[in-house]
Order: sequence, then C-alpha cells, then structure tokens
Amino acid sequence: GIQVEQSPPDLILQEGANSTLRCNFSDSVNNLQWFHQNPWGQLINLFYIPSGTKQNGRLSATTVATERYSLLYISSSQTTDSGVYFCAVGAPGGATNKLIFGTGTLLAAQP
Amino acid sequence: DAGVIQSPRHEVTEMGQEVTLRCKPISGHNSLFWYRQTMMRGLELLIYFNNNVPIDDSGMPEDRFSAKMPNASFSTLKIQPSEPRDSAVYFCASSSGYSPLHFGNGTRLTVT
Repeated sequence: GIQVEQSPPDLILQEGANSTLRCNFSDSVNNLQWFHQNPWGQLINLFYIPSGTKQNGRLSATTVATERYSLLYISSSQTTDSGVYFCAVGAPGGATNKLIFGTGTLLAAQP
Repeated sequence: DAGVIQSPRHEVTEMGQEVTLRCKPISGHNSLFWYRQTMMRGLELLIYFNNNVPIDDSGMPEDRFSAKMPNASFSTLKIQPSEPRDSAVYFCASSSGYSPLHFGNGTRLTVT
C-alpha cells in the first residue's frame, strides 16, 4: 500500500514564527487532505488538495502530485496552532475518502 | 449544520462486555467512515459505507467488530465481546462525493 511520511515529527515554534510541514507519499494518489488535531483531540479538515495551491488565512498548502509531495505552510504561528498535523492520501481507484494517514507532525507554538 | 455527531464521548467498560458506538453523519453526506486512533497504529480505517451499504470492511480487526448503517442518518459500531486491546479513540467521519472528510469528536473507549 501507499506509504505516507511526514516531517518533521516534532516542531517547536515561538509565536509569530513561520513553518513548513512536509508530506511525502510513495505512489500516485487521487486525493490528499491536511488535518489538524487540536489538544482536545478534534480532527479539523484544513485542506482538500490533490494538486495545486490553496490558501486559507495564515495557512496555505501546495501539492505537487507528479513529485509525490505536499507542503503545509503556517505563517505567523499562534498558540492555537498547537496540535498534530496529519497528511492523508487516497489511492487511485479507491473511494474518495478512503484515506491513509501519515504519522503526523506534533507542533507546539509557544508564547 | 451540527457536524458529525458521535456518542458517547467516553465509554469505560469491563472486558467481555458489549460496546456500541453511535454516529450521525452530516445531513446530505452519502459516505460514512469509521476510523480508530491508537498510539501504536495511528489513524486507521475500519470500515466505510456508501449510500448506507458497507463497501470495504477490510480494516475491521476481528469478527468481534461489526458495523451497521440502517439509514442515511445513523450508524453503529459494535464490539462484542470487548477486550483491553480495543481501547482507543473511535472516530466517525462523513463526506459527499469529491468533498473534504469531516470528523466527529470521537469516542474514547477504555476497556479494563
């Protein structure tokens, strides 16, 4: 099956700093989504981005499907950005949201 | 919309007991997914339904696990009998077509 690797595994940021999270996947995908799991355990969908670039406020994401990676950018980090960021992909031919999750990047944004 | 609604939020039970987790998907969504999250295995798909029909249950760990979706607005995941290794957070999620996946708040299950 498809392997999903995320880096870095852990990240500590000062408030106001920028960061880039990376997701590499081992095979072609038809779906890629980024999620944030907050300290209360809620999983929030950030981006549905099988290809191209999207922006939502301080967050943006870029997926280069031909090179099998995606990047999540967080600008001007805030303490509320803390939590785990997951990348998840779907294999071609499978259901749209039959997703394989990476192991996540644990982000701690400190005041 | 209220989002995906799961109940209960927490469940503590003794080994051997039956456990039933419940999920109400977002209205209008035709796909429903059950995921499990553990420290060891991360987030893994157990089963998914499309238009109330189970499509892929290859992630269901054992015959002790079963899931149903009797109508478009309700699904259950049942574990009978439960074992300590079933302790995890169980998430229900829903989507429609080529749309983002939306998760419920999860049920934290502890089997003692």
